Amino acid sequence: AQKVTQAQTEISVVEKEDVTLDCVYETRDTTYYLFWYKQPPSGELVFLIRRNSFDEQNEISGRYSWNFQKSTSSFNFTITASQVVDSAVYFCALNTYNTDKLIFGTGTRLQVFP
Amino acid sequence: EAGVTQFPSHSVIEKGQTVTLRCDPISGHDNLYWYRRVMGKEIKFLLHFVKESKQDESGMPNNRFLAERTGGTYSTLKVQPAELEDSGVYFCASSQEERGGADTQYFGPGTRLTVL
Repeated sequence: AQKVTQAQTEISVVEKEDVTLDCVYETRDTTYYLFWYKQPPSGELVFLIRRNSFDEQNEISGRYSWNFQKSTSSFNFTITASQVVDSAVYFCALNTYNTDKLIFGTGTRLQVFP
Repeated sequence: EAGVTQFPSHSVIEKGQTVTLRCDPISGHDNLYWYRRVMGKEIKFLLHFVKESKQDESGMPNNRFLAERTGGTYSTLKVQPAELEDSGVYFCASSQEERGGADTQYFGPGTRLTVL
């Protein structure tokens, strides 16, 4: 069975702090895909990143970075120098080559205070 | 390029009534998905269309839910009759590749359904 765990329900930080959102996944498939989505207060789910199981290279996009470690089944997301606009609920998700549906974690609500 | 759109954005109905949600995927996307998030819980898969065919409807909660995708374009999700536990946010997503599992799903803004 596939499962995604986001143990942090809510995180509060002050602007300019760095923050890491944790994501741990479970799957027996060898080919799988990991995703992060952002849900701002407006409600839509915004795609941030997609990673496949054969590519363990970390990725950086501006203030965002992702650390994929197969050894610990984790796909953590770090925001550097957080800003108020980063306030949102962030979802980690998984699907596999044999399963089209996304399996989501319960989400982490990030609040960035000025 | 227009994203995934959903209508209505909000719907408030009474228990026993019928509601129909609509989703327009990104143009050219053959894969269309419905998901639901009940208050505070994870987003859960409902079903997957490839063009007009139901590929996987394993997540549909019961036979009060009926999804259609006529002509392989937009999709509707009807709840009849609605129950209190149907309240939540219904998301639609679409992806381009034939093998959906290997492609990114782009989501719409969701429809917030409240059943009183």
